[in-house]
Amino acid sequence: AQTVTQSQPEMSVQEAETVTLSCTYDTSESDYYLFWYKQPPSRQMILVIRQEAYKQQNATENRFSVNFQKAAKSFSLKISDSQLGDAAMYFCALYWSIRGSRLTFGEGTQLTVNP
Amino acid sequence: DTEVTQTPKHLVMGMTNKKSLKCEQHMGHRAMYWYKQKAKKPPELMFVYSYEKLSINESVPSRFSPECPNSSLLNLHLHALQPEDSALYLCASSQDQGGTQYFGPGTRLLVL
Repeated sequence: AQTVTQSQPEMSVQEAETVTLSCTYDTSESDYYLFWYKQPPSRQMILVIRQEAYKQQNATENRFSVNFQKAAKSFSLKISDSQLGDAAMYFCALYWSIRGSRLTFGEGTQLTVNP
Repeated sequence: DTEVTQTPKHLVMGMTNKKSLKCEQHMGHRAMYWYKQKAKKPPELMFVYSYEKLSINESVPSRFSPECPNSSLLNLHLHALQPEDSALYLCASSQDQGGTQYFGPGTRLLVL
C-alpha cells in the first residue's frame, strides 16, 4: 500500500513572501510520480507541478518548485512571491506507473494568502 | 490544450430522479476517471476506463452507472441517489492509465 501525508492542514503566508508546504509519502515501488495539485474555491483541480522519481533534478514551474528527497520520501512545494490567487487547497499525490494503480492523495493543506 | 469539460456545472435531483453527468476531452487521452469529492477532503476514485473498457470499479453502489461511449466521452448515470451522495463529481483524463491526470471543473450535485 502507498500513503501520502500532509502534516499541515492549514498554512498562511503574506503576499510576496515564500511558503513551503510539506508532503511525505511511502511506497515500495521504485518507479513512481509525485504531483502537487491546487484546488481554489472554484474547486477546479489544477496540476501545479509533477516530479518523476527517477529524476534527481527538482521540478520547477515559474514560482513553484519542489524539494524532492527520495531517500527521505519527502516532496515539499515551495511557492515564491506568493500572490492572492495562490490561495487554495493544495493536494500532494503519488502515482506509480503500472496498470491498475491509483492516484493516492494526501489530506490537503489549505493555504491562505494575506494581503 | 489540457482541457476536460464537464456538464452540468450544478445539479439538484430528488432521490427518485434519473440524471446523467457528462465529461468530454479532446486531447486524445485513452484513460478517463470519475472521482467523488466531499468538502475539504481529497477526491475518492470511483471508476477508471482505459481504452473505453472499465478498468477499475472501486466497489461503487449500483445507483452509479458509468458509460464510455467513445474515447472522448465519459458519462455517469445516476439513479435513486441518497442525500449522502451529494458531493462534487470530478472527471479526469490521462494519456493512458499510467499518465498525468488532468481534471475537469466538476459537477456539484445536491440530492434532496
